[in-house]
Amino acid sequence: SQQGEEDPQALSIQEGENATMNCSYKTSINNLQWYRQNSGRGLVHLILIRSNEREKHSGRLRVTLDTSKKSSSLLITASRAADTASYFCATDAVSKLTFGKGITLSVRP
Amino acid sequence: DAGVIQSPRHEVTEMGQEVTLRCKPISGHDYLFWYRQTMMRGLELLIYFNNNVPIDDSGMPEDRFSAKMPNASFSTLKIQPSEPRDSAVYFCASSFGGVEGYTFGSGTRLTVV
Repeated sequence: SQQGEEDPQALSIQEGENATMNCSYKTSINNLQWYRQNSGRGLVHLILIRSNEREKHSGRLRVTLDTSKKSSSLLITASRAADTASYFCATDAVSKLTFGKGITLSVRP
Repeated sequence: DAGVIQSPRHEVTEMGQEVTLRCKPISGHDYLFWYRQTMMRGLELLIYFNNNVPIDDSGMPEDRFSAKMPNASFSTLKIQPSEPRDSAVYFCASSFGGVEGYTFGSGTRLTVV
């Protein structure tokens, strides 16, 4: 069963623009993580935010967490064609991750 | 470290045959997870181990599926007998402490005909 649900399901932007992806979840969590998956490859861990944190940055990535609304957002600034991939949020409640169905991001050169 | 290593990358088998998927986690990681990915159901956790001991196998779909971890550097997922609906990409992932980011393998694409 999916814990996290990403929104939108698909996003197409121009290179250089920012991409914002959202995730909502249902139950209390220890942390929330974002992963990227390129076509035909495994998932790659991008960033983790703990339940007592509100915002975190890593390079061009910014993630926020609002535990009162049970939601998170991932912002990719100054997008590049190489950012084209599927992005998943995953929630950690009891030492195991539950993934959403993912967002397909297309960055047009 | 070479990362999480899965084999084979691709497997095509006939319905009714036994299939064994293999995984070598990152050295030092104490958690190992098996996931299945399909278009319809997304990523599903099948089973996970901590220090080689199965902790939660509630995601294993049927008795046809079994998983073992005989030591810290090797795990198998076996399907016997295989069915067409088992066709999916199977991922192995490992982590340290179970509360940090996971490292995923490249997956095994299983096709049962």
